[in-house]
Amino acid sequence: EVQLLESGGGLVQPGGSLRLSCAASGFTFSPYAMSWVRQAPGKGLEWVSGISGSGGGTYYADSVKGRVTISRDNSKNILYLQMKSLRAEDTAVYYCAKHSGYEYYYAMDVWGQGTTVTVSS
Amino acid sequence: QSALTQPASVSGSPGQSITISCSGTSSEVGSFDLVSWYQQHPGKAPKLMIYEVSKRPSGVSNRFSGSKSGNTASLTISGLQAEDEADYYCCSYAASSTLVFGTGTKVTVL
Repeated sequence: EVQLLESGGGLVQPGGSLRLSCAASGFTFSPYAMSWVRQAPGKGLEWVSGISGSGGGTYYADSVKGRVTISRDNSKNILYLQMKSLRAEDTAVYYCAKHSGYEYYYAMDVWGQGTTVTVSS
Repeated sequence: QSALTQPASVSGSPGQSITISCSGTSSEVGSFDLVSWYQQHPGKAPKLMIYEVSKRPSGVSNRFSGSKSGNTASLTISGLQAEDEADYYCCSYAASSTLVFGTGTKVTVL
């Protein structure tokens, strides 16, 4: 079964850091681009960051550029999102998503169940 | 990058057809045939319904169809069913090398 399992969410103070992980299983991880998408409470979906299948290309939304780093370990089938200088507006459910092709502009055909990040003092 | 514009809500009776619009600009929707649509039930992860404007993934009902004209993409649900009640989001690749989602549409089955 194709599956994505996020972890690493939690409560963090403003200005703090957090690293999210997404463990992939049931498919060959390396050829596919991956993304992180978030959803603030009661709000819509927001694309946060994407990475190509090789990891050589990384892309970020303006809202997080300079504060987050996306990476992947193709030997372990894990996607990461390192977040720093967290703000209250970063509070959201963070979803990991697999793209249907090598590049992140392809559709996201598999989604995890999400991990919740709460930024509050 | 601003979110694509969708109607906040659309409703219809069982068996009817409804269409959800997704309005963008020539920087995303109008320039790339890379529009996808996602269905999200409350408390659940999004599910891909349409990709590359009008293609349907395996397992998605043929009651769902997509199209695009100029800077506006559309999702049509025909033969509306109770299980179609959910939030729907469009998404497009943008010239700024980002992905942008729509504002989301709540579909209500009357």
